[in-house]
Amino acid sequence: DTEVTQTPKHLVMGMTNKKSLKCEQHMGHRAMYWYKQKAKKPPELMFVYSYEKLSINESVPSRFSPECPNSSLLNLHLHALQPEDSALYLCASWPGPTNTGELFFGEGSRLTVL
Amino acid sequence: DAKTTQPNSMESNEEEPVHLPCNHSTISGTDYIHWYRQLPSQGPEYVIHGLTSNVNNRMASLAIAEDRKSSTLILHRATLRDAAVYYCILRDRSLNDYKLSFGAGTTVTVRA
Repeated sequence: DTEVTQTPKHLVMGMTNKKSLKCEQHMGHRAMYWYKQKAKKPPELMFVYSYEKLSINESVPSRFSPECPNSSLLNLHLHALQPEDSALYLCASWPGPTNTGELFFGEGSRLTVL
Repeated sequence: DAKTTQPNSMESNEEEPVHLPCNHSTISGTDYIHWYRQLPSQGPEYVIHGLTSNVNNRMASLAIAEDRKSSTLILHRATLRDAAVYYCILRDRSLNDYKLSFGAGTTVTVRA
């Protein structure tokens, strides 16, 4: 299994809703990532979890709340979002220091905030 | 983060080589040069990376200038499937975490 799986693929939510995005990998990777990508822009790093601990938070607003319950699973909890938060949210994973090259990405969850 | 500069777009004909330049004049000795690409409606995918020497893999070749201030990604025979945004990224290998910060990238169009 060499995949990073993201669910749901599409999500529409209102500004008062609470929802979550989910990411799974079963490759034994030690680090997992959330990126945000607006249309026709490059991905922007949001969070990095290393060995299930938050190691990088790129000054993301608190309405985005990441969670790493175990080494295979990464969640992004969403609450009180704004329409400008509509974007493609990408999850990625990294095997660890023995691998210098590759970050593995999922296909993303496309979020629309109404 | 050290920055990279890439052309906004490039066009190629199918089955011809594509040379994608990247300038990184402020590169430090601990920076790897990575290339990723993003096909339409997909997440980014790894293409190749290198430190000082030229590198080849099944997808592409990476030519790194002797002073490391520039590099070129070479797609040997472009196919329609190679139409994507190509990102040249510097990654600091001295950090414990693999941190990848994307720039604007080059949009490659392949003509049949």
